[in-house]
Amino acid sequence: DAKTTQPNSMESNEEEPVHLPCNHSTISGTDYIHWYRQLPSQGPEYVIHGLTSNVNNRMASLAIAEDRKSSTLILHRATLRDAAVYYCILRDQYNFNKFYFGSGTKLNVKP
Amino acid sequence: GAGVSQTPSNKVTEKGKYVELRCDPISGHTALYWYRQSLGQGPEFLIYFQGTGAADDSGLPNDRFFAVRPEGSVSTLKIQRTERGDSAVYLCASSLKASGGRTDTQYFGPGTRLTVL
Repeated sequence: DAKTTQPNSMESNEEEPVHLPCNHSTISGTDYIHWYRQLPSQGPEYVIHGLTSNVNNRMASLAIAEDRKSSTLILHRATLRDAAVYYCILRDQYNFNKFYFGSGTKLNVKP
Repeated sequence: GAGVSQTPSNKVTEKGKYVELRCDPISGHTALYWYRQSLGQGPEFLIYFQGTGAADDSGLPNDRFFAVRPEGSVSTLKIQRTERGDSAVYLCASSLKASGGRTDTQYFGPGTRLTVL
């Protein structure tokens, strides 16, 4: 499985933007980059995904480096409800059903 | 609409006992997945079903673990001769279709917390 590297934890102030990085230096040309998050005592939930171009949805934005070896999940205005563990996941063409979550980044949002 | 549901939400059992964990996927989702999450770790893949058949069970840790999905909807994860190391949160997810590929979204249930004493 292609692996990702994320910081163990990050902290943000409420109402400020948050940039969550992910390194995936072994990514192949057809791997999709997905982000899920897990709120306390809940199952993971989908946030966003992309392949090459930057993506925006109502929850977040995904910025993908030109060489695709890294990506950044952007929360434009963090709220207390955004406090969660954020997972960056690569999905390849052969094992796309087997998510490899890693340890993720625990985001703490301060009021 | 209704999301993925899992029962029970908590299960406490004694070492050596047999347990069954149930997952009700989102209606119409043909693919179903089981993951296991130990404290402080990300979820680990166990098995996934496309319809009634187990398409990939490579994540099952040993032959004490078994899962079924006889009618292509509800699934049961079965653990025989439980050990203390089996204590974890067991998560179930479903998606519209496994063949949806690398953009298919998995929807997770809240999990079953299993404690083996």
